[in-house]
Amino acid sequence: AQSVTQLGSHVSVSEGALVLLRCNYSSSVPPYLFWYVQYPNQGLQLLLKYTSAATLVKGINGFEAEFKKSETSFHLTKPSAHMSDAAEYFCAVSDQQAGTALIFGKGTTLSVSS
Amino acid sequence: EAGVAQSPRYKIIEKRQSVAFWCNPISGHATLYWYQQILGQGPKLLIQFQNNGVVDDSQLPKDRFSAERLKGVDSTLKIQPAKLEDSAVYLCASSLDYNNEQFFGPGTRLTVL
Repeated sequence: AQSVTQLGSHVSVSEGALVLLRCNYSSSVPPYLFWYVQYPNQGLQLLLKYTSAATLVKGINGFEAEFKKSETSFHLTKPSAHMSDAAEYFCAVSDQQAGTALIFGKGTTLSVSS
Repeated sequence: EAGVAQSPRYKIIEKRQSVAFWCNPISGHATLYWYQQILGQGPKLLIQFQNNGVVDDSQLPKDRFSAERLKGVDSTLKIQPAKLEDSAVYLCASSLDYNNEQFFGPGTRLTVL
């Protein structure tokens, strides 16, 4: 069975500061890993995905994530936060071979202050 | 390219009433998903279609929830009768095939009073 744990339901940073959102996964098979962002009253938008190629994945809006198998982690980072980054972020996992649906974490709300 | 369309965007009903949601996936996408997102939680899969066949409905409460995807295009999700705990956002997503990126619609926010 697969699962995702997002550490910290709420993260607050100042504009220009480093953003770090934590995600740990559990999977008995090689996983696909994803980060999605959700703005208020909108659907989910894919930020980036890991599909067993490069372990450092670059996504949209300056975000990137590193797959660390030894730590079963896929943390999301951005060097410098912008006010527009304030949103809810979800980490998700799926079985890459079976093509199963996504299993999501509970989400982390990112607040950015000026 | 048009995205995933859902309607209605908002719905308020009383418990024990019935409700239906509609989803129009991206043209040509074979795989369609319905997720339930309860406030404060991540989305949870309810049902996955591949064309007009069901791939996974293991988490669908079949005593009250039903879904269909006639002709392998549009899909409807129905709840009958609704309970208070069904209050959530219902998200539809589609992908080109079962192993491709999923694109999400804006969701339908259901409030059951």
